Amino acid sequence: AQSVAQPEDQVNVAEGNPLTVKCTYSVSGNPYLFWYVQYPNRGLQFLLKYITGDNLVKGSYGFEAEFNKSQTSFHLKKPSALVSDSALYFCAVRDVGSGTYKYIFGTGTRLKVLA
Amino acid sequence: DSGVTQTPKHLITATGQRVTLRCSPRSGDLSVYWYQQSLDQGLQFLIQYYNGEERAKGNILERFSAQQFPDLHSELNLSSLELGDSALYFCASSADDNSGRQETQYFGPGTRLLVL
Repeated sequence: AQSVAQPEDQVNVAEGNPLTVKCTYSVSGNPYLFWYVQYPNRGLQFLLKYITGDNLVKGSYGFEAEFNKSQTSFHLKKPSALVSDSALYFCAVRDVGSGTYKYIFGTGTRLKVLA
Repeated sequence: DSGVTQTPKHLITATGQRVTLRCSPRSGDLSVYWYQQSLDQGLQFLIQYYNGEERAKGNILERFSAQQFPDLHSELNLSSLELGDSALYFCASSADDNSGRQETQYFGPGTRLLVL
């Protein structure tokens, strides 16, 4: 069955340090992969996506993610965290291979950047 | 501001009732998506419409239905409401074209539904 896993409910990192938010997926065929961020009482904001091409994808606010087909992972990274990055992050996959085009979201990872 | 508007912002109703949530996409966007976010189920994709036609279906209950009108706004109808339907309902739009190209989704602020 198609699924997305975000194994960490919360990630704490000191300001200025690199951050990683993990995501693994399981879908049939080639996935479309996404990262979204949700600030308190706000809707989701798109950060970046991987459809095809270069495995390293650069997105908004200095974030990037690396698509790793062999490990079925799409971890979100940022070289230097800011306190303002503290938010809820969602990984999502669009199941194109099955023909359903359904979106499947992970359970979210709360990122806390400490000053 | 994403350019996607949703009304109402808040809705309180009783079990068994029916409500309609409305979404206006960004100008020019043909695709509209609906999502449900609840504490116990997380973020769930419900349904996508493209230029008036249903394009993709997720975990949408039979009690729920949606449509997209010729002016491209969309409505999500929730009927026979249950306590568990209390959630935040998001709409998003994107400039997907008919080639299947996957464009960025822009989310509205959401409608918070409380079923008592």
